[in-house]
Amino acid sequence: KAGVTQTPRYLIKTRGQQVTLSCSPISGHRSVSWYQQTPGQGLQFLFEYFSETQRNKGNFPGRFSGRQFSNSRSEMNVSTLELGDSALYLCASSLLSGSQPQHFGDGTRLSIL
Amino acid sequence: GIQVEQSPPDLILQEGANSTLRCNFSDSVNNLQWFHQNPWGQLINLFYIPSGTKQNGRLSATTVATERYSLLYISSSQTTDSGVYFCAVSTHPGAGSYQLTFGKGTKLSVIP
Repeated sequence: KAGVTQTPRYLIKTRGQQVTLSCSPISGHRSVSWYQQTPGQGLQFLFEYFSETQRNKGNFPGRFSGRQFSNSRSEMNVSTLELGDSALYLCASSLLSGSQPQHFGDGTRLSIL
Repeated sequence: GIQVEQSPPDLILQEGANSTLRCNFSDSVNNLQWFHQNPWGQLINLFYIPSGTKQNGRLSATTVATERYSLLYISSSQTTDSGVYFCAVSTHPGAGSYQLTFGKGTKLSVIP
């Protein structure tokens, strides 16, 4: 069974631009979560989607948004990029909810110049 | 929200040595996972262990939910065990039940 697939693996953007990251969950998994990892803040929860609905959101500004499609694939978008948005963005999928094992993709490393 | 504390923050081992990593959490949980992050940033799922004991090869984990801690044991360590080990939890239904809260990790370096 294929794992969680994130694309692209690496991305370089400049301040003020916007970016879209993609995540395909494990087949049959309906919950998709996004996390940001930085050296200073560690791993922080961004948001979680289930059946195309956002169920929970972390403490991030409105520039960070996401969506989930009917096939459970998810995208996250960051608008008006800032230098501080440079991070590793990780996507995780699980069958139904956070109480079940979360499986992570390899991440997208975003660098802002 | 729930607090997760891991210790020690750094650990250096000689190849072949054993180690114990600890994770303390501040509230009851319905999910606890141990992950290994390798130098390439990949987060590998080691154990899903909200309670009880599990073993997988040289690794084993124990969670005592009533006392709010979990332990990860690494025996006969190898250089490939190097990386950062994270403990992550989610709480019972209510706020935060759909997210994992991570500890700051234990950075393990195994030297030949």
